[in-house]
Amino acid sequence: DAGVTQSPTHLIKTRGQHVTLRCSPISGHKSVSWYQQVLGQGPQFIFQYYEKEERGRGNFPDRFSARQFPNYSSELNVNALLLGDSALYLCASSLDDRVYGYTFGSGTRLTVV
Amino acid sequence: AQSVTQPDIHITVSEGASLELRCNYSYGATPYLFWYVQSPGQGLQLLLKYFSGDTLVQGIKGFEAEFKRSQSSFNLRKPSVHWSDAAEYFCAVGRGYGGSQGNLIFGKGTKLSVKP
Repeated sequence: DAGVTQSPTHLIKTRGQHVTLRCSPISGHKSVSWYQQVLGQGPQFIFQYYEKEERGRGNFPDRFSARQFPNYSSELNVNALLLGDSALYLCASSLDDRVYGYTFGSGTRLTVV
Repeated sequence: AQSVTQPDIHITVSEGASLELRCNYSYGATPYLFWYVQSPGQGLQLLLKYFSGDTLVQGIKGFEAEFKRSQSSFNLRKPSVHWSDAAEYFCAVGRGYGGSQGNLIFGKGTKLSVKP
């Protein structure tokens, strides 16, 4: 069975640009959450979506947005990139909106220059 | 405020030696507790979780953790470390259901190095 798939694996962007990160959950999973992991820190919660509705939002600016599609895949969008947005972005999926069902993907490494 | 503290940033142990990684939490509700492991450049793999019941929980790869409510701790242990255990370990706390209050709060991690 395929796990949580994230794309791209790595990318480099310039300050001020926009980026879209993608996540495909495990088949049958209806909830997707996004986390940001800055180097040397633990992951920080950004968003959770369940059944295509936003269920939670962490303490991130409005430059960060996300959505979930009918097939339960998800996109994370970041506008007006800052150097501080450089991080590993992790997607996690679960059957429903329960924390204890999480499976994490390998992440997208974003570097902003 | 809800938080997770992992007091040890970096620990080095010899292969075959025992291991204990510390985790303390501050959480208003009954916590759901987790330990994850992350190899370089990889995502997070769940080692074990605690929701209720027996306070000593067994996980994968020979790891176990003990929940001590009185000490607000959830320390991870392994009796004999293997070189392949070298990685970063994260303790996390959550409520169990979705929403911004229900998602995971992570500690800053403990990096484990294993000496041959």
